[in-house]
Amino acid sequence: SQQGEEDPQALSIQEGENATMNCSYKTSINNLQWYRQNSGRGLVHLILIRSNEREKHSGRLRVTLDTSKKSSSLLITASRAADTASYFCATDAWNTDKLIFGTGTRLQVFP
Amino acid sequence: EAQVTQNPRYLITVTGKKLTVTCSQNMNHEYMSWYRQDPGLGLRQIYYSMNVEVTDKGDVPEGYKVSRKEKRNFPLILESPSPNQTSLYFCASSPWTENTEAFFGQGTRLTVV
Repeated sequence: SQQGEEDPQALSIQEGENATMNCSYKTSINNLQWYRQNSGRGLVHLILIRSNEREKHSGRLRVTLDTSKKSSSLLITASRAADTASYFCATDAWNTDKLIFGTGTRLQVFP
Repeated sequence: EAQVTQNPRYLITVTGKKLTVTCSQNMNHEYMSWYRQDPGLGLRQIYYSMNVEVTDKGDVPEGYKVSRKEKRNFPLILESPSPNQTSLYFCASSPWTENTEAFFGQGTRLTVV
């Protein structure tokens, strides 16, 4: 069973705009992670937020976590064409040994 | 350089012909896992291993086998591949501690005809 569901499935924006992606999950977690995937390539870790954290920043990335709503959001500010990729959330759930991925958001940034 | 290496990157095979996809990591990670990625379904875990000689099923283990005889290697075996196993496969590794990231291989695109 999938833990994370991303919204929207696809997002198209112009360079310089902000991109926001949302992730919802079902059970209690230790942490939530965001990964990026360029077309057909391996996933690259972007940022990890622990269950006791509410917000985290890394460069142009801002992640929020609301454990009461079981949701997270990833904000990419001042987007660039090079940000074009698929973005996945992944949850490290309690009492499991698994990292479970959502279905991803495809982001297209037009120059 | 810290990395997870999968081979081959691309493979076309016929139904029923046994194949192995290799995965090796040089980071001394305890945890390794295999995922398949299909359009609209995201990444689904096939098998995982928490250490040498310890393996367990993920969400979609049917038709696959794995082994973990050494810490660095975690091969994925398809004893009798079928067309519904055509997919993009990823191996990943991470330390067996809480709140750590996973490192992914480059992927293996498998086509079974």
